[in-house]
Amino acid sequence: NAGVTQTPKFRVLKTGQSMTLLCAQDMNHEYMYWYRQDPGMGLRLIHYSVGEGTTAKGEVPDGYNVSRLKKQNFLLGLESAAPSQTSVYFCASTLAGGLGTQYFGPGTRLLVL
Amino acid sequence: DAKTTQPTSMDCAEGRAANLPCNHSTISGNEYVYWYRQIHSQGPQYIIHGLKNNETNEMASLIITEDRKSSTLILPHATLRDTAVYYCIVRVAGPDYSSNTGKLIFGQGTTLQVKP
Repeated sequence: NAGVTQTPKFRVLKTGQSMTLLCAQDMNHEYMYWYRQDPGMGLRLIHYSVGEGTTAKGEVPDGYNVSRLKKQNFLLGLESAAPSQTSVYFCASTLAGGLGTQYFGPGTRLLVL
Repeated sequence: DAKTTQPTSMDCAEGRAANLPCNHSTISGNEYVYWYRQIHSQGPQYIIHGLKNNETNEMASLIITEDRKSSTLILPHATLRDTAVYYCIVRVAGPDYSSNTGKLIFGQGTTLQVKP
């Protein structure tokens, strides 16, 4: 049982490049989330999903897209990376109804030059 | 979800109890108090949560005032490994699945430094 895993762990992009961050969970959780964390700040919600095939916007969705084609995976895409997207990205998952504990992945550190 | 207020930083001596306060004066009746912590830029880790009764688990105790406007997280015997940022979060966790997205709204938290 690996919990929540994230790929890649670290990435450097040039402005304008695109990439996809992968989040996978093996706990059969219904709900999944993508957060970003900038230095000295708390996490901010980007997008979330309450089930396979569904997604919704969080606090800071601009510049990102997501997809949840399979229940265990939640993908975060940057179509045209900008320096302002330099951050640490965390994925999390929880049981249906959002009642349970959110389990977080180890994070992906992204640097956009 | 109600807003929370926490001190920016606190120190605690190793082996002593660490008491981390949180104010949530606008909390409503169906909102729970959750505590998470984040150790050195790792993913946040769940600690404990409660509605109105005091709660205890293997990690910590949560004391919620009778009016529910504030709470205190207690780490009974702090160790160096408890040095982390602690987040107090208030959110709805009721039975209405259709409106409960489980979203967490993080503030800046309290940086707890446990010293030898």
